[in-house]
Amino acid sequence: KAGVTQTPRYLIKTRGQQVTLSCSPISGHRSVSWYQQTPGQGLQFLFEYFSETQRNKGNFPGRFSGRQFSNSRSEMNVSTLELGDSALYLCASSPETGRYTFGSGTRLTVV
Amino acid sequence: GESVGLHLPTLSVQEGDNSIINCAYSNSASDYFIWYKQESGKGPQFIIDIRSNMDKRQGQRVTVLLNKTVKHLSLQIAATQPGDSAVYFCAESSGGSNYKLTFGKGTLLTVNP
Repeated sequence: KAGVTQTPRYLIKTRGQQVTLSCSPISGHRSVSWYQQTPGQGLQFLFEYFSETQRNKGNFPGRFSGRQFSNSRSEMNVSTLELGDSALYLCASSPETGRYTFGSGTRLTVV
Repeated sequence: GESVGLHLPTLSVQEGDNSIINCAYSNSASDYFIWYKQESGKGPQFIIDIRSNMDKRQGQRVTVLLNKTVKHLSLQIAATQPGDSAVYFCAESSGGSNYKLTFGKGTLLTVNP
């Protein structure tokens, strides 16, 4: 069974640009969550989607957005990038809720 | 607000010893707890989980203990191996319409050969 696939693995962007990250969940998993991981703040919840609906959102500015497609694949977008957005962005999927399986993440560097 | 914290940021053990990693949580509504292991360059990997209606759960070489009275969670690793060296995170969820995990800061476990 294929795991959670995140693309790209690495990204370098300039301040002010926008970025889109992609996540393909495990087949059959309908819940997809996104987390931001930084050395200072640890793992922080961004949002969770189930059947194309956002069910919960973390305390991040509106520059952070996401969506889920009918095949459960998900994307997150960050607009007007700031240096502080540099982080490892992790996607996780679950059959419903609870035992999330994480991908390897996308390492975003904003310069 | 809710938070999940770890008592020790680092833990160093000898190969073959048992390891205990502790975690405190503050949300009384938490009903699901999970431990993850994260190796350098990888995403968190599921180790074991436990629901609030249990106080102990065992897996392969790992045991999770839950003390709801003092809001404390621990992960015990038996016969620790060098491959167990990683950062360990506890996380909690309050279920219902929460749909999110709140993570602790992590404990770095180093296993010395």
